[in-house]
Amino acid sequence: QKEVEQNSGPLSVPEGAIASLNCTYSDRGSQSFFWYRQYSGKSPELIMFIYSNGDKEDGRFTAQLNKASQYVSLLIRDSQPSDSATYLCAVFGGATNKLIFGTGTLLAVQP
Amino acid sequence: SAVISQKPSRDICQRGTSLTIQCQVDSQVTMMFWYRQQPGQSLTLIATANQGSEATYESGFVIDKFPISRPNLTFSTLTVSNMSPEDSSIYLCSAETGQGASYEQYFGPGTRLTVT
Repeated sequence: QKEVEQNSGPLSVPEGAIASLNCTYSDRGSQSFFWYRQYSGKSPELIMFIYSNGDKEDGRFTAQLNKASQYVSLLIRDSQPSDSATYLCAVFGGATNKLIFGTGTLLAVQP
Repeated sequence: SAVISQKPSRDICQRGTSLTIQCQVDSQVTMMFWYRQQPGQSLTLIATANQGSEATYESGFVIDKFPISRPNLTFSTLTVSNMSPEDSSIYLCSAETGQGASYEQYFGPGTRLTVT
């Protein structure tokens, strides 16, 4: 079992729709959870982080964390073509005490 | 947050040579890291650059191949030594900022290395 798992996609959504990106992790001791956006040929950009169970909203982005289910998600409301990118889930803490990345989900927003 | 710059942004090198990548952070940070990202793949941690002591390397990475310096709290270098085509990749520097129980990692723009 991978430490951080994401569906590689591509996830295709129409412009204006809600994009839902999901991530599961294996280490129950994990403490911090991050979403990075990576455009093709660019470096990862931190867009959201969440430390507590529940929802955290920032503009069009909402991060959701459920530690009991070891599940973290990112919702993007009113998706725009400029949101098309690979979204990397990263988890910190637990046994490794390092930031562990998933393989990323490619999001394609269709105009 | 932290603003991170890297030099060079890209390079094409011949096998057997070495390349040193520089990473500069706009503020003092305790933790700096070096990652590698191969095409179509996620990030792999090479090492943690420790200020004032030797870097901590991950499994599969050794100091002779990837020597790292960390002379102060804003700067680090990664050298890719005796390069082979398998070293062709994007090398990313990152820095951790925050306080208390809240820390976040930010990335530099990366160095795209091609070894011929």
